[in-house]
Amino acid sequence: DAKTTQPPSMDCAEGRAANLPCNHSTISGNEYVYWYRQIHSQGPQYIIHGLKNNETNEMASLIITEDRKSSTLILPHATLRDTAVYYCIVSVSSGAGSYQLTFGKGTKLSVIP
Amino acid sequence: EAQVTQNPRYLITVTGKKLTVTCSQNMNHEYMSWYRQDPGLGLRQIYYSMNVEVTDKGDVPEGYKVSRKEKRNFPLILESPSPNQTSLYFCASRDSGTGHGYTFGSGTRLTVV
Repeated sequence: DAKTTQPPSMDCAEGRAANLPCNHSTISGNEYVYWYRQIHSQGPQYIIHGLKNNETNEMASLIITEDRKSSTLILPHATLRDTAVYYCIVSVSSGAGSYQLTFGKGTKLSVIP
Repeated sequence: EAQVTQNPRYLITVTGKKLTVTCSQNMNHEYMSWYRQDPGLGLRQIYYSMNVEVTDKGDVPEGYKVSRKEKRNFPLILESPSPNQTSLYFCASRDSGTGHGYTFGSGTRLTVV
């Protein structure tokens, strides 16, 4: 079972920031938070990941609360092309340096003109 | 261009006729994985491989086989397809050492009649 809880859907006006929440209250100390998105029926796309500190890359920012029980993915200026299902996943890196992805239902983000 | 290539993109077949869905990556990744996606059930892992000649079952391995004879290729084999294997399939790969996300293929839509 997925270890995360996300709202099933959200709307965001084009050009505004999209803030997607995720609850992971049972996260362990060695588990990372990963975000992926899936546009229509394309393959999922990696966005960002973090352990404790906030992270930013060219796609998004990830804010993780101090107790690590929740996080927020921020798309600073949403465009119509950001309309997708966004998945929040928590997972530990295995001994070989990889991690298993267990997808939940995600949040369907609709960016509205 | 770094990518994961799946073939075919679409396939309609009949029950019991063996088929292979190919997956190839050009990034020298150690880790590869197969997922299926079904409405209401999300993405579920079928099999994964940590490296050449190392494979293991995911969450829904029944009815599938895989092989990893070379690093770049990870074919998914359906020895005797059944209608309940009608699904959208994704292959993914990742470098075990970099801590970055998975790269997914574009998907294979399989229909078994």
